[in-house]
Amino acid sequence: GDSVTQMEGPVTLSEEAFLTINCTYTATGYPSLFWYVQYPGEGLQLLLKATKADDKGSNKGFEATYRKETTSFHLEKGSVQVSDSAVYFCALSDGEYNQGGKLIFGQGTELSVKP
Amino acid sequence: NAGVTQTPKFRILKIGQSMTLQCTQDMNHNYMYWYRQDPGMGLKLIYYSVGAGITDKGEVPNGYNVSRSTTEDFPLRLELAAPSQTSVYFCASSYDRAEFGETQYFGPGTRLLVL
Repeated sequence: GDSVTQMEGPVTLSEEAFLTINCTYTATGYPSLFWYVQYPGEGLQLLLKATKADDKGSNKGFEATYRKETTSFHLEKGSVQVSDSAVYFCALSDGEYNQGGKLIFGQGTELSVKP
Repeated sequence: NAGVTQTPKFRILKIGQSMTLQCTQDMNHNYMYWYRQDPGMGLKLIYYSVGAGITDKGEVPNGYNVSRSTTEDFPLRLELAAPSQTSVYFCASSYDRAEFGETQYFGPGTRLLVL
């Protein structure tokens, strides 16, 4: 079945460092890909998305490019801030399994940014 | 705009007790979902609904029931609570299916501890 694998955490960075969180996926169809972020004590919220190959999603300085040839959707940010400390989830949705448009999530990567 | 609201925020249950987790959205979304998040894991779909009066099972439905009598409300019922149901529960809603790139909007979560 479909699955999402993302790099293990926690990741600890200093402020203004470059961030990469790796995400690869397995899907039978042509999924849409998402990054969701969960700040401490809150629910998940959409960070960015891409719906077809070579699309780049971007928001708040974060970017990710849908790479079909490598089945990847890595999250990057050029200069992280303390306020970026959160758990980041890579997810996909693939209509092949017809479960109401459910999201399939990776295990999450905790990011901690130190001043 | 309240978005997706969930009650309670936290609950301790004894083994064998029952409870209902409440979820309400004010965005007039047809699609609603219940996910559970276990430590170090991604979210898994419990049940979903594509409109009032229509519900179906997700990946991990055992021990749970749902109903959808209105567009706004999607309560999750736990019967005969077990320690394996200790988790954080998230309700989400969306205008359309995620495989079309639609955003799912999440509530703040309910933390449940079964002892």
